[in-house]
Amino acid sequence: GAGVSQSPRYKVAKRGQDVALRCDPISGHVSLFWYQQALGQGPEFLTYFQNEAQLDKSGLPSDRFFAERPEGSVSTLKIQRTQQEDSAVYLCASSPPVRDEQYFGPGTRLTVT
Amino acid sequence: QKEVEQDPGPLSVPEGAIVSLNCTYSNSAFQYFMWYRQYSRKGPELLMYTYSSGNKEDGRFTAQVDKSSKYISLFIRDSQPSDSATYLCAMSRGGFKTIFGAGTRLFVKA
Repeated sequence: GAGVSQSPRYKVAKRGQDVALRCDPISGHVSLFWYQQALGQGPEFLTYFQNEAQLDKSGLPSDRFFAERPEGSVSTLKIQRTQQEDSAVYLCASSPPVRDEQYFGPGTRLTVT
Repeated sequence: QKEVEQDPGPLSVPEGAIVSLNCTYSNSAFQYFMWYRQYSRKGPELLMYTYSSGNKEDGRFTAQVDKSSKYISLFIRDSQPSDSATYLCAMSRGGFKTIFGAGTRLFVKA
């Protein structure tokens, strides 16, 4: 079946612009995760949803970062007033019910100039 | 000190070699241990998933967990050039928050 999809795959934003990154999880997966991956580093946890409920947002680096999953399926990660340090790959992952394995999308590479 | 430590490499081996990749961790509450493979400009792909201590084998891959030493390993037998990628260890207490290592870059030379 279809895997996790993310769009756009690449995004270039000028400093100060707002961006919205989309994640479409695997059908039937109730858990959804967002990660930030800097060059040469492992993914860093940002936030977690179970269905539409955001159960943990402790990894969001500032209040400029906001995530939502209003209908328990597609999720959007929004970054307001982007800064150069926001440049990274943003990965989305989903996992099936009662399982811990996470299945990742290809990521969105954000470059802030 | 990071919760999960992983040597970034790069590790270069000839085709057919046995590869050993390792991670150490500090949080004794971790119960679930995973290895992911990440090719350049792709998302991580789950390779192995284990619970608590012990070994797990899947084809050419063997994962080992030693909770007493807080040490996990991934062995790749008969390595192939297509195994060239970054290997990420990851672990969690169960539930949702997963902590990843920085990844080890592996090159398998034909």
